Amino acid sequence: GAVVSQHPSRVICKSGTSVKIECRSLDFQATTMFWYRQFPKQSLMLMATSNEGSKATYEQGVEKDKFLINHASLTLSTLTVTSAHPEDSSFYICSARSAGTGDYNEQFFGPGTRLTVL
Amino acid sequence: LAKTTQPISMDSYEGQEVNITCSHNNIATNDYITWYQQFPSQGPRFIIQGYKTKVTNEVASLFIPADRKSSTLSLPRVSLSDTAVYYCLVGLGGSQGNLIFGKGTKLSVKP
Repeated sequence: GAVVSQHPSRVICKSGTSVKIECRSLDFQATTMFWYRQFPKQSLMLMATSNEGSKATYEQGVEKDKFLINHASLTLSTLTVTSAHPEDSSFYICSARSAGTGDYNEQFFGPGTRLTVL
Repeated sequence: LAKTTQPISMDSYEGQEVNITCSHNNIATNDYITWYQQFPSQGPRFIIQGYKTKVTNEVASLFIPADRKSSTLSLPRVSLSDTAVYYCLVGLGGSQGNLIFGKGTKLSVKP
């Protein structure tokens, strides 16, 4: 199956700094990428949907100025957590949907990035 | 997007068949049903997807009744490594829509 990678897998930062997380589709082109956040023992929460070359669409309650998403190419999307605070500590997961998808809405998920803000 | 309801948790023993049922009463005509598996600190992994009747692959079967208001994921002969959270999702096929995760079912397989 298609492979999606994330980098870094873990990051620890100080409060007030910004952190960038990369999501790459390794063997396919992804017209659409999704960013999720997951707190301990909870389900995944969709944060935003990004389409290559256009602005991301954010879910209600997600601050677009705090979580900057860039989808500049068909294989790369980045999520930047600006001015991170301890409450932003979470597991961030991206997924990608391939171009030319037929009837199915299959998404391929990355391995996740564990962010800890001190 | 259709809301899904699953049992919060299930227990099983190695070698047993496990059936996890998901309710999605307001599923739309063009919605597909997809199941994902997630281990701690990992991204979800696709298990199986279907639209109606029965779908089978090398790891699971998916049973969907005619009214499509529910679906059952069947895992044959589970092992300890099948201990994970299983999510049932319904959503649009093709280039539209996104996947909204419900609470999932935590399956615990015991020796």
